[in-house]
Amino acid sequence: EAGVAQSPRYKIIEKRQSVAFWCNPISGHATLYWYQQILGQGPKLLIQFQNNGVVDDSQLPKDRFSAERLKGVDSTLKIQPAKLEDSAVYLCASSLNRGEQYFGPGTRLTVT
Amino acid sequence: SQELEQSPQSLIVQEGKNLTINCTSSKTLYGLYWYKQKYGEGLIFLMMLQKGGEEKSHEKITAKLDEKKQQSSLHITASQPSHAGIYLCGADASGTYKYIFGTGTRLKVLA
Repeated sequence: EAGVAQSPRYKIIEKRQSVAFWCNPISGHATLYWYQQILGQGPKLLIQFQNNGVVDDSQLPKDRFSAERLKGVDSTLKIQPAKLEDSAVYLCASSLNRGEQYFGPGTRLTVT
Repeated sequence: SQELEQSPQSLIVQEGKNLTINCTSSKTLYGLYWYKQKYGEGLIFLMMLQKGGEEKSHEKITAKLDEKKQQSSLHITASQPSHAGIYLCGADASGTYKYIFGTGTRLKVLA
């Protein structure tokens, strides 16, 4: 069974530029999560999808971050414009419903 | 809002030693998950605990959820270098659909 795929693995951009991350969850997993993990901290949930509907996006900075999950499968997370404090690892995870989550390898974003 | 606090923040042990990591919640836990993360990689699911007093083991790792369901411990017996990494507890935040994580415990095992 293929795991959660994410791309790119690494991205370096300048502040005020835009960036997009892609995630393909495990086949059949209805729930998809995007997390932001700043160095030395635990992951912080940005947005949670159930199929293609948003369950929770209360911690998503909506003035600059957006996410979509078209057709209830893969998802993209966009930052526009990026700030220095957005430097972090962005993790995507999926689960059948609730319960244990399966994580992708993450995308390490550096904003200079 | 519910928070998960882990202790210790970091741990260095000699190979072969036992160790324990704790995760304490500010509210009742309805599902507690343990994950392991290696530097630069995603999280790997280890175990899930739901019932008070529940204990689960996988290889040399044992996790327990206390009766009051506000604290969990992760115990590693006879640690090996392969156990090194960051251990994170995660939980379904009480009364919400939100999933929260602790700050993590960084484990280093000296050969």
